[in-house]
Amino acid sequence: QSVLTQPPSVSGAPGQRVTISCTGSSSNIGAGYDVHWYQQLPGTAPKLLIYGNSNRPSGVPDRFSGSKSGTSASLAITGLQAEDEADYYCQSYDSSLSAQEVFGGGTKLTVL
Amino acid sequence: QVQLQESGPGLVKPSQTLSLTCTVSGGSISSGSYYWSWIRQPAGKGLEWIGRIYTSGSTNYNPSLKSRVTISVDTSKNQFSLKLSSVTAADTAVYYCARVVVLLWFGELLPHYFDYWGQGTLVTVSS
Repeated sequence: QSVLTQPPSVSGAPGQRVTISCTGSSSNIGAGYDVHWYQQLPGTAPKLLIYGNSNRPSGVPDRFSGSKSGTSASLAITGLQAEDEADYYCQSYDSSLSAQEVFGGGTKLTVL
Repeated sequence: QVQLQESGPGLVKPSQTLSLTCTVSGGSISSGSYYWSWIRQPAGKGLEWIGRIYTSGSTNYNPSLKSRVTISVDTSKNQFSLKLSSVTAADTAVYYCARVVVLLWFGELLPHYFDYWGQGTLVTVSS
């Protein structure tokens, strides 16, 4: 069971907007630690998509955006494209006894 | 452009030690701005953080693996390594190495996000 909770799957038609949630607790997201998002295309390594809650690395389209509030964060994808079909993971830091990087369980995005 | 490349045996027998090395190119592993991490992913499952090392040699490990994990760094070769002992079939996974950006958080060097990843290497535990 992952420390950060994501929906197992989401779907949307091309051109639509989808959001993926990431819920944590008072020892990670709620403690003020940033949330980061990764995109994993089939058979490839994860790629940094959003860092520091809402910042995009160079080369990431502005169709991808992130936000954070309280103990949760969200990734939004607008103008959905077939190439966006992938697994998406959120990540943060947890300051509990383990003091470690933590991931969400991942969300499979299907473009209908 | 920073690149990371994992290397090591793809098949390990149960009860033996898994050993992997990550070679970093395009940047120095001695930079104080980064941690260096190992992450794994069993087939069809999510990402699991294994541990990290700083250029000083300071390490942090996932408590669920701590008794079996050792991460070390060789700055002369620009490499860091993973050893996981007493492996079982449950350790079969794709293993990734990654660079972690450091954030200065109230005077502490906090691991922030993974900005560069290796391509991953599949390690199968089987007799």
